Amino acid sequence: IAGITQAPTSQILAAGRRMTLRCTQDMRHNAMYWYRQDLGLGLRLIHYSNTAGTTGKGEVPDGYSVSRANTDDFPLTLASAVPSQTSVYFCASSGTASSGYTFGSGTRLTVV
Amino acid sequence: GIQVEQSPPDLILQEGANSTLRCNFSDSVNNLQWFHQNPWGQLINLFYIPSGTKQNGRLSATTVATERYSLLYISSSQTTDSGVYFCAVAVYYGQNFVFGPGTRLSVLP
Repeated sequence: IAGITQAPTSQILAAGRRMTLRCTQDMRHNAMYWYRQDLGLGLRLIHYSNTAGTTGKGEVPDGYSVSRANTDDFPLTLASAVPSQTSVYFCASSGTASSGYTFGSGTRLTVV
Repeated sequence: GIQVEQSPPDLILQEGANSTLRCNFSDSVNNLQWFHQNPWGQLINLFYIPSGTKQNGRLSATTVATERYSLLYISSSQTTDSGVYFCAVAVYYGQNFVFGPGTRLSVLP
């Protein structure tokens, strides 16, 4: 079934540890995105990639990095996790500028 | 940047009732999308509707881009319609979407 796969589904992480959230899509979409969702703050864009080999910063990029080595994968890395990065993280993709987003199922991350 | 407002923030309905959710935005947009986040957290694309009207079963949406609003209609609501409905907009094609704060809908049996 075509779509976006995120892993892990959930994770408890000690502060200061490094963590990579994985996102893979099989729809050959050019654009991919990482959002975080926090209660009362809605969905906020962390990083995006309009095409393989390019990335850009969103609204809340600090503490996160991304890479886009190929079309299908868009991992999000927390170099040194802090409790304020506790959130639900959603990966999304878009095939064209006019096709809208498809979201993954999310990763619930708790930093303690 | 563009501001997105949604109303009402919360809505409680009896099963079978109809409802209208509104999305206002502060600038003209070329992209607009409605999403439903179900109680399990999944975000589901409902409509991609930068202008005009679309219908999908009991749901329909209308966007009047020149007046900077979009409406989502839910008819004959069911308990499975419960969740949060988000509007997301982008000013230009290819620009990242900005999400509104959502409307939380609870449909009671």
